[in-house]
Amino acid sequence: EVQLVESGGGLVQRGGSLRLSCAASRFTFSSHWMHWVRQSPGKGLVWVSRITSDGSSTKYADSVKGRFTISRDNAKNTLFLQMNSLRAEDTAVYYCARERLGAAADAFDIWGQGTMVTVSS
Amino acid sequence: QSVLTQPPSVSGAPGQRVTISCTGSSSNIGAGYDVHWYQQLPGTAPKLLIYINTNRPSGVPDRFSGSKSGTSASLAITGLQAEDEADYYCQSYDTSLSGSRVFGGGTKLTVL
Repeated sequence: EVQLVESGGGLVQRGGSLRLSCAASRFTFSSHWMHWVRQSPGKGLVWVSRITSDGSSTKYADSVKGRFTISRDNAKNTLFLQMNSLRAEDTAVYYCARERLGAAADAFDIWGQGTMVTVSS
Repeated sequence: QSVLTQPPSVSGAPGQRVTISCTGSSSNIGAGYDVHWYQQLPGTAPKLLIYINTNRPSGVPDRFSGSKSGTSASLAITGLQAEDEADYYCQSYDTSLSGSRVFGGGTKLTVL
């Protein structure tokens, strides 16, 4: 079964750092653009970041730019999100998601189960 | 405030038809960018429901359909069932944002 499994979430103090991982299985990871999407408790989905298939290009939402870094290791089929200078408003479930191989700006067809990040003040 | 506007909630009785709107602007849907729809059941990860405006992934019932016109898109659900009760999100691409991918605020569907 095609799968994404996130890990690395937890409780961290304001100003601290955390590194999320997303392990991909049963598909050609190196062919797909990948994304991080977050959801604060009781709120909607918010796009966070994306990385191209070869890792050469990244983009970020304004709310995390300069603090978060997306990266990938295609040899290990793993996506990462390094989160620094964490704020209370970064508290959320973080999902990794695969972008379809199709049109430009295509849909996210595979999602992980999510990992919870809680930033305490 | 989301770039894509959805009604916070819709409701319908079993067997009825409901629609969920997603209103954008000239920098996203109106610029010709595709709209995708996701269903999020309580306590679970989102699931792709409609991609590229009108297409259903394998396994999604044909009770679900999508459309797009001008600066808006819609998700229609016919033959409403209890298990359709969930949150629904539209998503597109926006040229005015540095990051570019945007979600609607989400719509809670209640099956009466």
